[in-house]
Amino acid sequence: LAKTTQPISMDSYEGQEVNITCSHNNIATNDYITWYQQFPSQGPRFIIQGYKTKVTNEVASLFIPADRKSSTLSLPRVSLSDTAVYYCRSTGGGNKLTFGTGTQLKVEL
Amino acid sequence: DADVTQTPRNRITKTGKRIMLECSQTKGHDRMYWYRQDPGLGLRLIYYSFDVKDINKGEISDGYSVSRQAQAKFSLSLESAIPNQTALYFCATSDLQRDSLLADTQYFGPGTRLTVL
Repeated sequence: LAKTTQPISMDSYEGQEVNITCSHNNIATNDYITWYQQFPSQGPRFIIQGYKTKVTNEVASLFIPADRKSSTLSLPRVSLSDTAVYYCRSTGGGNKLTFGTGTQLKVEL
Repeated sequence: DADVTQTPRNRITKTGKRIMLECSQTKGHDRMYWYRQDPGLGLRLIYYSFDVKDINKGEISDGYSVSRQAQAKFSLSLESAIPNQTALYFCATSDLQRDSLLADTQYFGPGTRLTVL
């Protein structure tokens, strides 16, 4: 079963831009890439979703190259409250919903 | 998300016991999911249901069963709990937005922490 892979952890400081990349080599042709945020003792929460090129909303941007084998979540000017685990999700083929192992982002002053 | 509730929130049980985790939603969504979360392994899909008459196995369905009693209710059962089923369990819902399974946005419940001794 194909997997999504992400860095285990990242550290940043308040006000910086953070980019988290996810690899999804076996993404199916008609599948989207979705990113979620999870705080301790809570369920994941939707951040952004895209199919190709670039998507931007009020909290983040998502960059997807032409081959769609990876995606990059960009968080502009992070704050302490952005400290969380970030998951990307894709099927990896066969309609099997797969989350990555998540990236623990720690934001410091 | 208060629209998706899970009961119980915490449960400690013994090996061999039958356990049922319940999920209810008021979002009116057709699709419901059960995941488990283990440290270092992320979220893994156990079962999912696209409507009341539809049940599908996910990535790790062995040792689990589900029941979709109504559009709003989706329960997960462990027929004979074992210690390696100790984990955090999440229920999620979504609604069909596009043809792709993954185009939909999922809304998660608060989770159930299950400990099997």
